[in-house]
Amino acid sequence: GQQVMQIPQYQHVQEGEDFTTYCNSSTTLSNIQWYKQRPGGHPVFLIQLVKSGEVKKQKRLTFQFGEAKKNSSLHITATQTTEVGTYFCAGRNNFNKFYFGSGTKLNVKP
Amino acid sequence: DGGITQSPKYLFRKEGQNVTLSCEQNLNHDAMYWYRQDPGQGLRLIYYSQIVNDFQKGDIAEGYSVSREKKESFPLTVTSAQKNPTAFYLCASSPSGLAGEQFFGPGTRLTVL
Repeated sequence: GQQVMQIPQYQHVQEGEDFTTYCNSSTTLSNIQWYKQRPGGHPVFLIQLVKSGEVKKQKRLTFQFGEAKKNSSLHITATQTTEVGTYFCAGRNNFNKFYFGSGTKLNVKP
Repeated sequence: DGGITQSPKYLFRKEGQNVTLSCEQNLNHDAMYWYRQDPGQGLRLIYYSQIVNDFQKGDIAEGYSVSREKKESFPLTVTSAQKNPTAFYLCASSPSGLAGEQFFGPGTRLTVL
């Protein structure tokens, strides 16, 4: 069935290092959303990508949507300790259903 | 304050009992969703509703039931038929049907003893 795979499952970085998480879908997506969940919290929307090859930036965060609209990535430059948490992608297929990736848990050491 | 509320935050039930989780939103959103989150896993869709009096099964609807009698309310019942009900349950709503950003409630952690 429809799946959105996300890697890596965990990432431990030193403060100031970069971080990237990747999502891959078995089928073409209509759009992809990214969410962040702090420890003990609930997912909070970060961004939505719709167009093939789209790139969006939010300060030190860069989001990309692949040309084939099957993959996406989130890159954080020079991570800060406040950015710890789990980052999820959520892909919407052509039947209007969302599929969340399993998330990448980011730990940042000061 | 606009938002989504879920109550209670923690819930304990004995095996074999049905339990209903509350979800209320005052954001005037049309679409509402229920997800289940297990440790180390992503969110799995249980049920979703695009409008009042209409709802659709998600990927793991077995053992769950919902109702959508009011726009602001989307309660989830975890029945005794659900084999592994212990989990973190998240409710969400969206202003633009299934295409828009989802706003999540704080979640209910259900433990079945």
